Formats: sequence, C-alpha cells, structure tokens
Amino acid sequence: QSALTQPASVSGSPGQSITISCTGTSDVGSYNFVSWYQQHPGKAPKLMIFEVTKRPSGVSNRFSGSKSGNTASLTISGLQAEDEADYYCCSYAGSSTVTFGGGTKLTVL
Amino acid sequence: QVQLQESGPGLVKPSQTLSLTCTVSGASISSGDYYWSWIRQHPGKGLEWIGYIHYSGLSYYNPSLKSRINISLDTSKKQLSLKLSSVTAADTAVYYCATKPNSIYHFDYWGQGTLVTVSS
Repeated sequence: QSALTQPASVSGSPGQSITISCTGTSDVGSYNFVSWYQQHPGKAPKLMIFEVTKRPSGVSNRFSGSKSGNTASLTISGLQAEDEADYYCCSYAGSSTVTFGGGTKLTVL
Repeated sequence: QVQLQESGPGLVKPSQTLSLTCTVSGASISSGDYYWSWIRQHPGKGLEWIGYIHYSGLSYYNPSLKSRINISLDTSKKQLSLKLSSVTAADTAVYYCATKPNSIYHFDYWGQGTLVTVSS
C-alpha cells in the first residue's frame, strides 16, 4: 500500500486558479473513489471532494475535482486567502483499504 | 449531523498499549450506514489511515499496522475504540476518528483529534 504522490507545495495569488495533482498507480486509475481534504493548522481535515468530482453540501463550487489515468487533480478557482491550508488526496487502494497522499501546502500570495 | 469526540491518555510509555475511544453523537453505530474509522497524523506530517470497522463486525486495517491494531465498537456506550500495542516513539501522532459511508471510500465526518505522545 503506497502513499499517493502530491507536490509538497503550490502557491497562487488571490483570484487565480491553482491545481493540485495526486498520482497513484492502479489505485487512482482503477477506481472512482478519490477524495480531497482541506486542513487548516490545528484543525481536523474537512472533506472537499469525493468520488473524484462530487462536492459535499456546503463546499464552495470554486473547488472541483477531476481524474485522468492514474492522476487525480483538485482545482481551486478564484483563490481566496481562506483557501490557504494543507490539502490531502485519498484513494481506494483495493481490498477495502484506502491510502492518503503526502499532502500539499497551498500558499495564497 | 454526526459528531465525534476522541478521548484517552495523552502520554503512553514505549512498549505499552495505546487506548483511545471516540464517542459518537448524531448517528447510531448500529445503523449500518458507516464504517467507523481511525486515522492518524504524525507531527508535521500527512494523514495515515489506520483502519475501520462496521457494525456487522467487518473490519479492515492498514497492512503496515495490522499486527498491532484492534478496533472495536461498543453500541451501548456509543463508542468506537482503538488499541495499538507495542508502541514506540513512531506512534506519536494526532489520532482522529472519522466516518466512512458504507460501500464508498471517503471520510465525511471527523473528530477534532487527540494528540498521543509516546515517551518514557
């Protein structure tokens, strides 16, 4: 069970769009069970995207998810200061298990 | 709205067993709607899935931790429990409980987390 690969950091200016990638092997590519979590310092993670593209109720439509092959992506459009946080992807890894990515720190310049 | 609250000792000695509980409100453990989960986060690091259990008794654990983990449910107390044996400093982490909806793979509700330090 290998961790998914995410860039350590990304940055963008307010109003811009950024994309965070999440690369796996057969886990990401084979199943549509990719989810994304936002975590502010000292807080619990918050579900932002599930099943690759779906947003939970209450999550801004500035957050969107996609997948191509073994790479899933989280895009945040209209970047806001409050989006500065750590972001984690998670994927079904077979045999009823899951695995997380290493996390990406988003800095809003 | 499901609410989860972790509790347990903040300090555990090496080689001992780490024991945590998670008290559930706003949902019934026995409804079958969720797998009740534990996830941890080493200081300054990423998230690591530990395992989850369903009311039916089905449970799944991270292969890297499987030999040391026991996750159980107490429906009368509305609690989820984690026991991690033979701990070392590498088990120092914030431990979260979370819900995973049945048949799908994401975590929708999370507790606030509890820091456990392994030290003599």
